[in-house]
Amino acid sequence: EDQVTQSPEALRLQEGESSSLNCSYTVSGLRGLFWYRQDPGKGPEFLFTLYSAGEEKEKERLKATLTKKESFLHITAPKPEDSATYLCAVQVGAGSYQLTFGKGTKLSVIP
Amino acid sequence: DTGVSQDPRHKITKRGQNVTFRCDPISEHNRLYWYRQTLGQGPEFLTYFQNEAQLEKSRLLSDRFSAERPKGSFSTLEIQRTEQGDSAMYLCASSLVNNSPLHFGNGTRLTVT
Repeated sequence: EDQVTQSPEALRLQEGESSSLNCSYTVSGLRGLFWYRQDPGKGPEFLFTLYSAGEEKEKERLKATLTKKESFLHITAPKPEDSATYLCAVQVGAGSYQLTFGKGTKLSVIP
Repeated sequence: DTGVSQDPRHKITKRGQNVTFRCDPISEHNRLYWYRQTLGQGPEFLTYFQNEAQLEKSRLLSDRFSAERPKGSFSTLEIQRTEQGDSAMYLCASSLVNNSPLHFGNGTRLTVT
């Protein structure tokens, strides 16, 4: 069974304190790994797609990386507005269109 | 704003009642998805449409759930004989082609009392 595990479940950072969120996966036939941000009461907002090991994507203070077993979301010098739940999802196998999500990491950035 | 639109935002219903939710995807997107999310969990896949064809359904989708996408435009998700376990956020998403990112709406929060 395909599994996606995110850690930590929750993370509190001081403003400016850089850190990383982890997404480990055990799937067969990874077609893509997606990172989303979700604010309370809203739907997930797309951040990045990664397709192959070694790939990296950046957007403002966020950088996503991918290996054969896990992905990291690095947050550099976070600000309070980066506070949200960050979700990782995988798309696997030919002929399937569904994403399998992890439970997310709830990030709080304290001023 | 031309994002994914869902209606209603909130729905409170009594156990045993039927409810219907509507999703309007981004206009040029031919792929539409329904997900369900409970507190502290990631979204779980329910079903997928390409144009008007329902191509994939999760085992989570019991026979009390039915989804339609007439004419390949908006979609509806109906839950019959609601149960307390159906309380969740129901999310709709759309995308242009396979492997392209899903764009989510802000969901319909269902509370079954």
